[in-house]
Amino acid sequence: SQQGEEDPQALSIQEGENATMNCSYKTSINNLQWYRQNSGRGLVHLILIRSNEREKHSGRLRVTLDTSKKSSSLLITASRAADTASYFCALLHGSSNTGKLIFGQGTTLQVKP
Amino acid sequence: EPEVTQTPSHQVTQMGQEVILRCVPISNHLYFYWYRQILGQKVEFLVSFYNNEISEKSEIFDDQFSVERPDGSNFTLKIRSTKLEDSAMYFCASTGREGRQETQYFGPGTRLLVL
Repeated sequence: SQQGEEDPQALSIQEGENATMNCSYKTSINNLQWYRQNSGRGLVHLILIRSNEREKHSGRLRVTLDTSKKSSSLLITASRAADTASYFCALLHGSSNTGKLIFGQGTTLQVKP
Repeated sequence: EPEVTQTPSHQVTQMGQEVILRCVPISNHLYFYWYRQILGQKVEFLVSFYNNEISEKSEIFDDQFSVERPDGSNFTLKIRSTKLEDSAMYFCASTGREGRQETQYFGPGTRLLVL
């Protein structure tokens, strides 16, 4: 399937620890985007990484992309209780000319104070 | 910072009724999308819209669904005769002039409950 498969499905850590979430996929991609969703709320865009990029940073977020392994990871450093949310990867297929994003099932992150 | 807005935030309707979900994309954006998320499930693509026409639609987007950009700012999703299984969170998204391969910005969603 085209969709991203994320692991772990759930992650519980202490405040201050790092959290790593992984996304694997099966098709070629144009780009991969990571979103955060607080419970029952909207999707907040975090980072977009293109197929020709290997790593991007934004504040405490670091995203890597390995197109040979068809996988991406999202690292949140020095986590805070406010980081508690669900995190989704979303793929833009390599040949897409419509912008259709394919979402994964998500990782639910709980950061304990 | 510009953002996508959606109204209403919540809507409760009876099965068989028509609903219209409204979105105001970020101004000067050209590509518009609707997605939905059934409770506890992943976000699913419904339809993409560009240059006043549908560019792609999913299998979910059957004849009961339609989209419209009636003026220069609103983008609407209409469900003609709602079913129980249409209960979900509906998200609108838009992408800018740089192209459809850029960041999609999502609205806060409309939670639709069909009784």
